[in-house]
Amino acid sequence: LAKTTQPISMDSYEGQEVNITCSHNNIATNDYITWYQQFPSQGPRFIIQGYKTKVTNEVASLFIPADRKSSTLSLPRVSLSDTAVYYCLVATDSSASKIIFGSGTRLSIRP
Amino acid sequence: GAVVSQHPSWVICKSGTSVKIECRSLDFQATTMFWYRQFPKQSLMLMATSNEGSKATYEQGVEKDKFLINHASLTLSTLTVTSAHPEDSSFYICSARRQGVNTEAFFGQGTRLTVV
Repeated sequence: LAKTTQPISMDSYEGQEVNITCSHNNIATNDYITWYQQFPSQGPRFIIQGYKTKVTNEVASLFIPADRKSSTLSLPRVSLSDTAVYYCLVATDSSASKIIFGSGTRLSIRP
Repeated sequence: GAVVSQHPSWVICKSGTSVKIECRSLDFQATTMFWYRQFPKQSLMLMATSNEGSKATYEQGVEKDKFLINHASLTLSTLTVTSAHPEDSSFYICSARRQGVNTEAFFGQGTRLTVV
């Protein structure tokens, strides 16, 4: 199972773009990269998933370089409600594949 | 989107008693579900993989006789914390993924267990 490494914490301000980078040097060919958001006392919530290049949805963008050894979650124009812990996960596309959480990045947004 | 629901959201029990937590996939069938435990300010730790119709697979260091997992149907897995002690107090979260390709995991809202 690929191990992920993220910054422990980040701070930013409302209206700014926030980029959180994750390293996954041992990613396998069948692995996808998924980012989750977790608020206190809640289960993680899916943000975005990708395999390579760039993926964009209504809340975030995910940039994955050609070697796939890292990925960057980009949150445009953050607000106070984006204060949460963000997890980068790597797992195969099998529904039986275990999902192992790393330490996550605690993002704090200030007014 | 798919929803995974846990019940109860919180529970307080006396030391020595057992507590059962339910995890349901509401709009899809899940042959595999996962149980996690999370202590304050820490990440989620995978406890076990629940397999429909067969025994659960436990991660190293997790006592299978203490954390009983039953996955009797394709939409329900239960975690029973037996003879609970204060150190078992934690936030328990379940997860499931749809069958198919490139599917994200859906997580329950979590169950806060407090053992007094």
